[in-house]
Amino acid sequence: DVKVTQSSRYLVKRTGEKVFLECVQDMDHENMFWYRQDPGLGLRLIYFSYDVKMKEKGDIPEGYSVSREKKERFSLILESASTNQTSMYLCASSFGGRGAEAFFGQGTRLTVV
Amino acid sequence: AQSVTQLDSQVPVFEEAPVELRCNYSSSVSVYLFWYVQYPNQGLQLLLKYLSGSTLVKGINGFEAEFNKSQTSFHLRKPSVHISDTAEYFCAVSDPLYSGGGADGLTFGKGTHLIIQP
Repeated sequence: DVKVTQSSRYLVKRTGEKVFLECVQDMDHENMFWYRQDPGLGLRLIYFSYDVKMKEKGDIPEGYSVSREKKERFSLILESASTNQTSMYLCASSFGGRGAEAFFGQGTRLTVV
Repeated sequence: AQSVTQLDSQVPVFEEAPVELRCNYSSSVSVYLFWYVQYPNQGLQLLLKYLSGSTLVKGINGFEAEFNKSQTSFHLRKPSVHISDTAEYFCAVSDPLYSGGGADGLTFGKGTHLIIQP
């Protein structure tokens, strides 16, 4: 079974802190994604990566950056956390191009106070 | 970017009754469509997808969906629901805007919460 593991289920951070959300997948997938899930808004794509060191902006990249130094790991970075970044963050990975199934982690619920 | 509209935020239905969850998309190009399900406190998992071919797609757990190009719809159906089907259901479309490098970033609808009543 494909496993996508997010390092924390719950995080509480202070406004202005630099926050790292980590995601690891164990199936050698080339594509990895970060989504943000908010009630009534569904999931929105923040960033994605199709190879090591490659990254592309999604729908809502402002206030976020990403890092992919190894194929299995994709990190989401909040440079200076703000309260409007309080949300559920979901990492996903996939193998192949358009139409490929995405495998999701269980999510990290981040609260910025 | 593409857009996906899920017309109902909540759908209550009695156990063993049929259900339809509605999804419309906006696209003038060939589309790949998906339904994902999210059970409480879990990530999303794929129910089914349409890439090409037969417009009736069968998925896991007895769900099916019909692709209708003229109505730009991809409604999800199940003939008889069970209490374990209580979950959030998301319709999504593969968005060419987010396909750099061969990846497949998805645009999701806002979700439909399926509530099964005993």
